[in-house]
Amino acid sequence: GAVVSQHPSRVICKSGTSVKIECRSLDFQATTMFWYRQFPKQSLMLMATSNEGSKATYEQGVEKDKFLINHASLTLSTLTVTSAHPEDSSFYICSARNQGGGGGYGYTFGSGTRLTVV
Amino acid sequence: ELKVEQNPLFLSMQEGKNYTIYCNYSTTSDRLYWYRQDPGKSLESLFVLLSNGAVKQEGRLMASLDTKARLSTLHITAAVHDLSATYFCAVDGSSARQLTFGSGTQLTVLP
Repeated sequence: GAVVSQHPSRVICKSGTSVKIECRSLDFQATTMFWYRQFPKQSLMLMATSNEGSKATYEQGVEKDKFLINHASLTLSTLTVTSAHPEDSSFYICSARNQGGGGGYGYTFGSGTRLTVV
Repeated sequence: ELKVEQNPLFLSMQEGKNYTIYCNYSTTSDRLYWYRQDPGKSLESLFVLLSNGAVKQEGRLMASLDTKARLSTLHITAAVHDLSATYFCAVDGSSARQLTFGSGTQLTVLP
C-alpha cells in the first residue's frame, strides 16, 4: 500500500532557530500533500496544502513566512519552521493524496514529527 | 465552510459493552474517513466510506454513512481494552478535496 515517510520523528531546537521536516511518498507520486498541526488533546488542524511545482495554499491564520513549504518534486514536500518559538511546539503530521483502487483516491499519513522548542 | 462535529468527546466504557460514536457534517460530501490515533502516534486508517448507505466492518468496529442525514457512526461491539485510543472522523469536502477533521473521541475501555 501507499507509504509516506516523515522525518525526523522528534526534534528539539532552541528558540530562534529553524527546523525542517521532510515528507516523502515512497511508492507513489503525490502531486498534493497536506501539513497538519496537532496540539495535545486536540484535533488535527490543516496548516497548508502543498502542490508540486507551485506555491502552497495556507489556511487562514497560518503565517506563510514562518512556515515555509516547498514541494519541489512529486515525492517530497518539506515544512520549515523558521525562527521557532516555544509556542510552535506541537505535533506536525503530513499527508499525501494518493490514487486508490477503482479510480478513487485516498489519504496516507506520515508518522508525525514532535517538535519541542526550548 | 465545512464543519464536522463529533460526539462524544470522551467515552469511558466497560469491557464487553457496546457504544456508538457519531459524526455529523455540515455540507454535502460522499467521502468520509475514520481514523484511530494512539498516544504519541500518527493516524491509522480504519474505514473509508464512499457512498450513501455504505457500511464497513472490521473486527469489533463497524462504520456507516448516511449522506442524506450527513451522519456517520462508528459502532463498537463488545469493547476490549485494546480499543482504547482516540478516534477521528474526517470529511472530504466535495469541491475542496481536502480533509476536515472532527474533534476526536477519546475512548477508554475499562476492565
